[in-house]
Amino acid sequence: DAGVTQSPTHLIKTRGQQVTLRCSPKSGHDTVSWYQQALGQGPQFIFQYYEEEERQRGNFPDRFSGHQFPNYSSELNVNALLLGDSALYLCASSPSFRLAGTSYNEQFFGPGTRLTVL
Amino acid sequence: RKEVEQDPGPFNVPEGATVAFNCTYSNSASQSFFWYRQDCRKEPKLLMSVYSSGNEDGRFTAQLNRASQYISLLIRDSKLSDSATYLCAVNPVYNQGGKLIFGQGTELSVKP
Repeated sequence: DAGVTQSPTHLIKTRGQQVTLRCSPKSGHDTVSWYQQALGQGPQFIFQYYEEEERQRGNFPDRFSGHQFPNYSSELNVNALLLGDSALYLCASSPSFRLAGTSYNEQFFGPGTRLTVL
Repeated sequence: RKEVEQDPGPFNVPEGATVAFNCTYSNSASQSFFWYRQDCRKEPKLLMSVYSSGNEDGRFTAQLNRASQYISLLIRDSKLSDSATYLCAVNPVYNQGGKLIFGQGTELSVKP
């Protein structure tokens, strides 16, 4: 049973560039959330996708956008990169309430993409 | 005040010790609570979910105090392999899914 996978593992970009990160959820999960984790901090929620729509969003600018595909995989896009966007980007998958009942919000993380902006 | 706050670390304990971490949350409507373990430069791994008053799994016990709005994690008989950062996470509003708000993490170092 494959867990959550993310690609690429590492990425180096320069300011102003755009980046796309990818995530495949754990088998049986239909909900994908994205988080940004700066060094020494807990993960910060970016947004969550369910049924190919953004269901909830954290306090991140519009430069951060996403997409979910019919197979539940997801992409995170960041435009006009800033130095402060350097972080570990984590994807987490979970089953919806429809699939899992009371344990619906147990989120399982992928290994992350470490983004460095120079 | 931060939405989720954890004990500042690091905690340095000898093998075999019992250690407890606390985590407070500000939104009284919060419904689900989690403890994650994160090793250096790795992803968080779900350790325990807490939906009612508490949960126990082997050497690990999580407790929820809704009146005081905190959750705790107790680790008994600490092992060297327990050394990691422990993150608490809260789902602040009851809905079908939704964001987790994390604390900043508490680092645990278990020494021989």
